[in-house]
Amino acid sequence: NAGVMQNPRHLVRRRGQEARLRCSPMKGHSHVYWYRQLPEEGLKFMVYLQKENIIDESGMPKERFSAEFPKEGPSILRIQQVVRGDSAAYFCASSPREGTQYFGPGTRLLVL
Amino acid sequence: EDQVTQSPEALRLQEGESSSLNCSYTVSGLRGLFWYRQDPGKGPEFLFTLYSAGEEKEKERLKATLTKKESFLHITAPKPEDSATYLCAVQAEDYKLSFGAGTTVTVRA
Repeated sequence: NAGVMQNPRHLVRRRGQEARLRCSPMKGHSHVYWYRQLPEEGLKFMVYLQKENIIDESGMPKERFSAEFPKEGPSILRIQQVVRGDSAAYFCASSPREGTQYFGPGTRLLVL
Repeated sequence: EDQVTQSPEALRLQEGESSSLNCSYTVSGLRGLFWYRQDPGKGPEFLFTLYSAGEEKEKERLKATLTKKESFLHITAPKPEDSATYLCAVQAEDYKLSFGAGTTVTVRA
């Protein structure tokens, strides 16, 4: 059973560009969570999604950030007009209903 | 707001030297307390879930315990491959995880 998959693993963007991060949950998991880990900081919750629904986006910046989990395909975290402060590791986790969250390997975003 | 505090920040051990990591927490409506291991450049790897005070779980050289205010991760006779950052997280009624800053464990041969 494949684990949570994220791509790309590394992403370099210049200021003002868009970043799209993808997450495919574990088979059978319908709940997806995104977390951000800034350098020298802990993991912080961003958003919780189920298929076609945003359940909780309280940890996501109000501007430039959006997330979706469509009926078909991976979950997408989209960052528009990136700034240097967006440089971080972004982790996706999935779970079957409620319960233990299993994490992917992360996408390391570097904004030049 | 949920709070998770881990101590110490860093721990250097000699191979075979047992020790414990602490995770103290305040949360409204605890659904579960989770321990993860994170290696450099990788995602957190699930270790344990604890649901109620008094519960204990073991896996190889690791043992996790839970009280109403804190959790301990005991490492017995560690080996160099146990070197990693150990993360503690609490899950409240809203299902999201609140993480501590982690304890970085280094085990020397």
